[in-house]
Amino acid sequence: ETGVTQTPRHLVMGMTNKKSLKCEQHLGHNAMYWYKQSAKKPLELMFVYNFKEQTENNSVPSRFSPECPNSSHLFLHLHTLQPEDSALYLCASSQEMADQETQYFGPGTRLLVL
Amino acid sequence: GQNIDQPTEMTATEGAIVQINCTYQTSGFNGLFWYQQHAGEAPTFLSYNVLDGLEEKGRFSSFLSRSKGYSYLLLKELQMKDSASYLCAVRGPGGGGADGLTFGKGTHLIIQP
Repeated sequence: ETGVTQTPRHLVMGMTNKKSLKCEQHLGHNAMYWYKQSAKKPLELMFVYNFKEQTENNSVPSRFSPECPNSSHLFLHLHTLQPEDSALYLCASSQEMADQETQYFGPGTRLLVL
Repeated sequence: GQNIDQPTEMTATEGAIVQINCTYQTSGFNGLFWYQQHAGEAPTFLSYNVLDGLEEKGRFSSFLSRSKGYSYLLLKELQMKDSASYLCAVRGPGGGGADGLTFGKGTHLIIQP
């Protein structure tokens, strides 16, 4: 347990569905991140939120829409996804301005798009 | 551009020592991290280097040379549970605020009895 939780852990959706991934951190951190991990590819940064403000969007298609209502919660809203979006989606958090600013990861949501 | 290279797979023997290398070329540098990831699980933090030199933490050590764009993770007294993927990641570009991590593809380490 890293103090970062994600729900659901597994998700199967059709290309016309709308779903949301949820992440919650219990570490008192002020920065949160979404990463995508596909088979045989490195972990890819998608979005960065610092003090609830989005500071980075790593050229992610608009069918992925992040939301950060407060510093403990992060959502990833999904709509009209493609089969190639099937992957493990990982949330992480860190404390900015701390000594190492280490990012701690949640267990991930394994997404399958049919 | 961002490029991080590490070997795809390594095999080692229980009780032995293994060194996993990582080279990087990134547009900014604000620290290098090593994570361990077991199959189907989240990456877990192992070590952090921001200055040149060796950081030791129990059976694990990590080394950094910024001028060479090079790091290694050293694992001693290998145990079967050390079989996992080891991810090298660079944080950048720095300059304040939260920075995402750029990851290598990971090194799959297989420990044999």
